[in-house]
Amino acid sequence: AQSVSQHNHHVILSEAASLELGCNYSYGGTVNLFWYVQYPGQHLQLLLKYFSGDPLVKGIKGFEAEFIKSKFSFNLRKPSVQWSDTAEYFCAVNAQNNDYKLSFGAGTTVTVRA
Amino acid sequence: DTAVSQTPKYLVTQMGNDKSIKCEQNLGHDTMYWYKQDSKKFLKIMFSYNNKELIINETVPNRFSPKSPDKAHLNLHINSLELGDSAVYFCASTLGSRRAEAFFGQGTRLTVV
Repeated sequence: AQSVSQHNHHVILSEAASLELGCNYSYGGTVNLFWYVQYPGQHLQLLLKYFSGDPLVKGIKGFEAEFIKSKFSFNLRKPSVQWSDTAEYFCAVNAQNNDYKLSFGAGTTVTVRA
Repeated sequence: DTAVSQTPKYLVTQMGNDKSIKCEQNLGHDTMYWYKQDSKKFLKIMFSYNNKELIINETVPNRFSPKSPDKAHLNLHINSLELGDSAVYFCASTLGSRRAEAFFGQGTRLTVV
């Protein structure tokens, strides 16, 4: 089955450390890619999105992601995390050959220690 | 001026009951969704409506019935609630269904006891 995979289930790091979260998808053809964040007890919010063009996209709160088509990947990065980045991070994909249904990865819990 | 609002935020009910969750969006979007987030935080799409028409109906027990009275509202009715229905249910909306960012509601935490 076609899917979205997030490699890390739980990441723990200290403030000022760099963060990279992996995301791979298995859909062929045209895809649109998203990263969402869910802070504790809150709803999902969009961090960034990629539709076309420059494969390096910048989002809110200092996050960026790189689309590598040959690797079917869309990894999320932040050079220096803060305690307030503690949250659940979800990669999501909608694909032309999946009727553009927005499918989510299993999520990565990020805990930033002060 | 909440963009996507769900009610109630919390719902505790007994097995076998019937309950509804309501969702409204004031963004002028034409497509609305219901997602279920289980205890492991996994998000799974359940239904999607575009301009009041059902366009996505994933493998969901037929005890779950969505209803869209207009394109700004998508309600979820659940019959004969079971323990396994306990989860957080999120409503979302988009303008169109392809390149659009999805806006999510605050979620409804359903606990079946």
